[in-house]
Amino acid sequence: ETGVTQTPRHLVMGMTNKKSLKCEQHLGHNAMYWYKQSAKKPLELMFVYNFKEQTENNSVPSRFSPECPNSSHLFLHLHTLQPEDSALYLCASSHSGTTNNEQFFGPGTRLTVL
Amino acid sequence: AQSVTQLGSHVSVSEGALVLLRCNYSSSVPPYLFWYVQYPNQGLQLLLKYTSAATLVKGINGFEAEFKKSETSFHLTKPSAHMSDAAEYFCAVTGEKMNDMRFGAGTRLTVKP
Repeated sequence: ETGVTQTPRHLVMGMTNKKSLKCEQHLGHNAMYWYKQSAKKPLELMFVYNFKEQTENNSVPSRFSPECPNSSHLFLHLHTLQPEDSALYLCASSHSGTTNNEQFFGPGTRLTVL
Repeated sequence: AQSVTQLGSHVSVSEGALVLLRCNYSSSVPPYLFWYVQYPNQGLQLLLKYTSAATLVKGINGFEAEFKKSETSFHLTKPSAHMSDAAEYFCAVTGEKMNDMRFGAGTRLTVKP
């Protein structure tokens, strides 16, 4: 595998379910990100991890819980979601240490909450 | 905080015509600017980036962008549109803070035969 991978690619869940999204990067990066992309809305940054430490949480509801066990893996744990949480969830990674680093994106997980 | 504004949420061109997607930025420091493309059901792919070297930046698939400080702009162009260019395009800026990239709302490009 190369680049940034995300699993599953599609997920349908009920409001009472618990599920997890997984992201893995094979680029040797130290920073990882979760974004939410909803129809007709700008890309929303949710969480940032830098060297496994969470450095950003953009007022995300607690029903979304991130986990970064190492610099290559990032998870997003989901529980008691709402229908408005249906969206494309994108993971990205980048080098850290400077401000000019581009981010590399995975293909996303299309989440539908019933 | 830094931001970008993409003028026009939807642009439609004929195949073979010039593509021009507009992006203006706001930044308190010299910016680093990026254009990404997103095809349906895929993630964002980097097209090109400006990191304070040459002001005219060439990217993949025949796209290029010019950094104009006086106009705070970084417009994306391609001389001749192809059907495969139909996608959503995002402009982004960074530079003020580490690991903090700000994206525009996106411009959907449609290419008519």
